[in-house]
Amino acid sequence: GAGVSQSPSNKVTEKGKDVELRCDPISGHTALYWYRQSLGQGLEFLIYFQGNSAPDKSGLPSDRFSAERTGGSVSTLTIQRTQQEDSAVYLCASSSGGHEQFFGPGTRLTVL
Amino acid sequence: LAKTTQPISMDSYEGQEVNITCSHNNIATNDYITWYQQFPSQGPRFIIQGYKTKVTNEVASLFIPADRKSSTLSLPRVSLSDTAVYYCLVVVWGSGGGADGLTFGKGTHLIIQP
Repeated sequence: GAGVSQSPSNKVTEKGKDVELRCDPISGHTALYWYRQSLGQGLEFLIYFQGNSAPDKSGLPSDRFSAERTGGSVSTLTIQRTQQEDSAVYLCASSSGGHEQFFGPGTRLTVL
Repeated sequence: LAKTTQPISMDSYEGQEVNITCSHNNIATNDYITWYQQFPSQGPRFIIQGYKTKVTNEVASLFIPADRKSSTLSLPRVSLSDTAVYYCLVVVWGSGGGADGLTFGKGTHLIIQP
C-alpha cells in the first residue's frame, strides 16, 4: 500500500552519458505524470501517461528525453547525452483518474 | 491553458489565518482549481480542489467567486510547520480521464514565524 516510489533517489552522471529514472506508481493508478523541478523553480510538466499511452508529450524539452510505461504500471524516463542544464529533481506522480495527484519523493539528477 | 498568478512570497505568524490569492483570468468552463503544498526536498502534496463557491476540508478552505477568475486558499491558525511553497493550478481534464498539460508555476513561498 506504499505511495509512489522513484529510483534512484540521487544520480550523479557525467555530461554526455545516458540516464534512466524509474517511477513505480500507486497500484491501480491509471494516470502517471513526470515533472522536472530546477533549483528554486516551480514544477515543469514533462509528459503524461494514461495506461501505456502518452496523450501529452508536449512538455518534453528536447528529443534527448523519452519516456515509456509498460503494463500500465512502471515508467522510465530516459535522458540521452545528458547536459548540465538537465540537472534538476525529476518528480513522478500518479492518479486514479480523480483530481488528486500523488507525488513520489523525486530523483535528484546532477550532471557534472 | 489558463495561466495562474500568485504572490511569490508571504510572511505570517503562528496562530494567524493566512489567505493566499491566485488569479486565473482565462479559466475555462471545464477547469478545476487545485492547490498543492510542497516542503523542501519533497514532492508536492494535494491540499484542496474546487470548482466554484467554497470548499472546506480538515486542512484548508478554498473560496472561489462567481466569475472564477481568482481563488483564495485560506489556512486557519497556521503553525511553523505550515512553512512551505503553495501552488495554485488550474486543471484541465482530458478525454482520457487524466489531466492535460499541468503547469505549476513558481508558487507562493509562505514563511511562518513564531
